Amino acid sequence: DAGVTQSPTHLIKTRGQQVTLRCSPKSGHDTVSWYQQALGQGPQFIFQYYEEEERQRGNFPDRFSGHQFPNYSSELNVNALLLGDSALYLCASSSSGQGERQPQHFGDGTRLSIL
Amino acid sequence: GNSVTQMEGPVTLSEEAFLTINCTYTATGYPSLFWYVQYPGEGLQLLLKATKADDKGSNKGFEATYRKETTSFHLEKGSVQVSDSAVYFCALSSGTYKYIFGTGTRLKVLA
Repeated sequence: DAGVTQSPTHLIKTRGQQVTLRCSPKSGHDTVSWYQQALGQGPQFIFQYYEEEERQRGNFPDRFSGHQFPNYSSELNVNALLLGDSALYLCASSSSGQGERQPQHFGDGTRLSIL
Repeated sequence: GNSVTQMEGPVTLSEEAFLTINCTYTATGYPSLFWYVQYPGEGLQLLLKATKADDKGSNKGFEATYRKETTSFHLEKGSVQVSDSAVYFCALSSGTYKYIFGTGTRLKVLA
């Protein structure tokens, strides 16, 4: 049973560029959340997708956008990259049928470095 | 707003020592509480959870009790191993579908 998979594992970009990160949820899960984890910090919630729509959003600018596909996989897009966007980006999945009190399952993340 | 506060690390212990990592929270309503562990270069793995007051979550020798009166969810293990060296995160979910994480506590266990 595959868990949450993310690609790529590492990415290097320069300021001003755009990036797309990808996530496939754990089998049976239909809800995907994205988090940003800066070095030495806890993950910060970016947004969550359910039924192909953004259900909730954290305190991140509009440069951060996302998408969910009919097969529940998801993309995170970041435009006009800043040095401060350097971080580990984590995808987490869960099942709406189990309720929000059930734990999310996390992928290993994409390490994004901005030069 | 909701928040989680963890004790600062690093915490350095000898093998077989007793571990406590403190976690307190602020939340409206009745949140669910979680401990996640992160090994170097990896994502977060769920360690244990508790969904209501007085619940005790346990896994791999770790345990934590949901204390509503003290708004705490401290992580404990009776005898740590070198393989427990990692960063531990306390998190809450309060019905808004997003998790609030603490800043993490790094644990180093020496042989």
